[in-house]
Amino acid sequence: QSALTQPASVSGSPGQSITISCTGTSSDVGNYNLVSWYQQHPDKAPKLMIYEGSKRPSGVSNRFSGSKSGNTASLTISGLQAEDEADYYCCSYAGSGLYVFGTGTKVTVL
Amino acid sequence: EVQLVESGGGLVQPGGSLRLSCAASGFTFSSYWMHWVRQAPGKGLVWVSRINLDGSSTSYADSVKGRFTISRDNAKNTLYLQMNSLRAEDTAVYYCARVPVGGYHFDYWGQGTLVTVSS
Repeated sequence: QSALTQPASVSGSPGQSITISCTGTSSDVGNYNLVSWYQQHPDKAPKLMIYEGSKRPSGVSNRFSGSKSGNTASLTISGLQAEDEADYYCCSYAGSGLYVFGTGTKVTVL
Repeated sequence: EVQLVESGGGLVQPGGSLRLSCAASGFTFSSYWMHWVRQAPGKGLVWVSRINLDGSSTSYADSVKGRFTISRDNAKNTLYLQMNSLRAEDTAVYYCARVPVGGYHFDYWGQGTLVTVSS
């Protein structure tokens, strides 16, 4: 149950697009289309942003989108805004009732 | 409104025990699988455990297997995490989270409860 690998930090200017990668293995990310993404502001609970790889829950801005290729999932934030500054985590189902989170990425809006 | 409220956290000595609770409201608790996720201070999210609808099936992360026990009381709309043989590395905010029917993601989270393992 090793954590999925994410870049420690990603930054961008307002209005730009950024992409956060999430690399796992053929036992988790590569084997299931069940990656979800969470946004977490300081001292707050995580918030679901993307599920099943690319689906957005009701109420989440369409500036957030998800995709997957092989063992790597990605979260793209377009039209970056100040309120997008937060930590982001991916999570994948890993079979047999187990789940694994990513290492987390700090997004900074310059 | 869906609400998950954790309680039971606090300071405990290494080797000690603690039981966390998560009170659910605003939805039919018995119809949802539930999970515990933890976050050490300044660190990332780590999945801990999950339980099915009636408590007959559970799963655990390797780091807590044999020491932690997840359970639920559907009559009381409450999820539990019994933590035994606690270690310093178990220090974290513990969140309960709901998984929607047929889903494999966490759509609602509690606010978390802090567990500190220290002498």
